[in-house]
Amino acid sequence: QVQLVESGGGVVEPGGSLRLSCAASGIIFSEYYMTWIRQAPGQGLEWISYIGNNDRTVYYADSVKGRFTVSRDNAKNSLYLQMNSLRAEDTAVYYCARDMSSGTLPHFDLWGQGALVTVS
Amino acid sequence: DIQMTQSPSSLSASVGDRVTITCRANQSIGRSVNWYQQQPGKAPKLLIYAASTLESGVPSRFSGSGSGTDFTLTVTGLQPEDFATYYCQQGYTTLVTFGQGTRVEVK
Repeated sequence: QVQLVESGGGVVEPGGSLRLSCAASGIIFSEYYMTWIRQAPGQGLEWISYIGNNDRTVYYADSVKGRFTVSRDNAKNSLYLQMNSLRAEDTAVYYCARDMSSGTLPHFDLWGQGALVTVS
Repeated sequence: DIQMTQSPSSLSASVGDRVTITCRANQSIGRSVNWYQQQPGKAPKLLIYAASTLESGVPSRFSGSGSGTDFTLTVTGLQPEDFATYYCQQGYTTLVTFGQGTRVEVK
């Protein structure tokens, strides 16, 4: 079954850390660029991080740069987001998503169900 | 950063209506715009990429157009399952950005 499944969400105090995971199945994970996108309660979508099909190409939104780290383990078909120095404004549902374009025109055709992170 | 401005922020429509949502970029981005639909409590779903290419499995009542700075998503013959929030997204740069969303509500 083709799917992405996030895990690792939860409640954390301001200044704390959390690590999200995204497990891929049914796809050749190593072929795809991957991204993290979040959505604060009642708000729109915010792209936060992007990683190429290896660890050499990574990008971050200014809002998380220096605090969040994206990584992947192609052998485990998994994507990760290490979130440090968390703030109340990081409270959101975090989605992992697959980029079909390999970076040429990023568009996201496969999404996880989302993981809720609450900083309080 | 490239800013994407959607309009309207919300609209009311009836089943069968033709609905148009616009998205404007603050610089020319070619045809690098994608459109998503999001139902409450669900992940977004890709509808259209590269301004006008329909994603596989998406009904043909959805269409996209535009280039440069101005883009539109049109739903021709709105169906009950189309009441949702729609987002544009620019893919001109790797630092992608989304529009703020357009909520399509039942009139």
